[in-house]
Amino acid sequence: DAGITQSPRYKITETGRQVTLMCHQTWSHSYMFWYRQDLGHGLRLIYYSAAADITDKGEVPDGYVVSRSKTENFPLTLESATRSQTSVYFCASSEGSSGGYEQYFGPGTRLTVT
Amino acid sequence: LAKTTQPISMDSYEGQEVNITCSHNNIATNDYITWYQQFPSQGPRFIIQGYKTKVTNEVASLFIPADRKSSTLSLPRVSLSDTAVYYCLVGDMNSGYSTLTFGKGTMLLVSP
Repeated sequence: DAGITQSPRYKITETGRQVTLMCHQTWSHSYMFWYRQDLGHGLRLIYYSAAADITDKGEVPDGYVVSRSKTENFPLTLESATRSQTSVYFCASSEGSSGGYEQYFGPGTRLTVT
Repeated sequence: LAKTTQPISMDSYEGQEVNITCSHNNIATNDYITWYQQFPSQGPRFIIQGYKTKVTNEVASLFIPADRKSSTLSLPRVSLSDTAVYYCLVGDMNSGYSTLTFGKGTMLLVSP
């Protein structure tokens, strides 16, 4: 049972480059989420998706693009990376049936923008 | 998403019971209370969720008083491996996720 996976686990890129972080879940969960975690800010929601082809903004969506053509995949793209996007990115998924915010997180991608 | 207040840090010793309290005075009728654990360099891990009274699983217990304005995560007989950050979230998924934020959580340090 692979659960939820993220790739790459580590990425170094240059300012202005496009980079895509991948997220894949095997549970067929309806909801998927992207967070970033920075020292002093905790976890902040970037985008989320309630189902294939349905996405919505979270707290910090600027500079990011998401898509969800298949239920199991939810890629996050930084179209023109900036140093301020250096962070650890976590993907999560949820059945969306428990009432509260029960989610299951991936291992994270550590992104460095130079 | 209801505003929550947790202690910034707590210290304990192995074998003790640890209770972490989360205040959420403006909890709404349909809100649930959800707790996560996060180890360094890992994603948060769902621990427990409840709506009222008491919920228990193999990892922890969640105590919610009748007024639901606070909740307490109880970790029985902690070990060194319970050293982590613990987050309390209060909300209702049917209200959406656009304002969902984890806050800074409570850093629990367990010593030998």
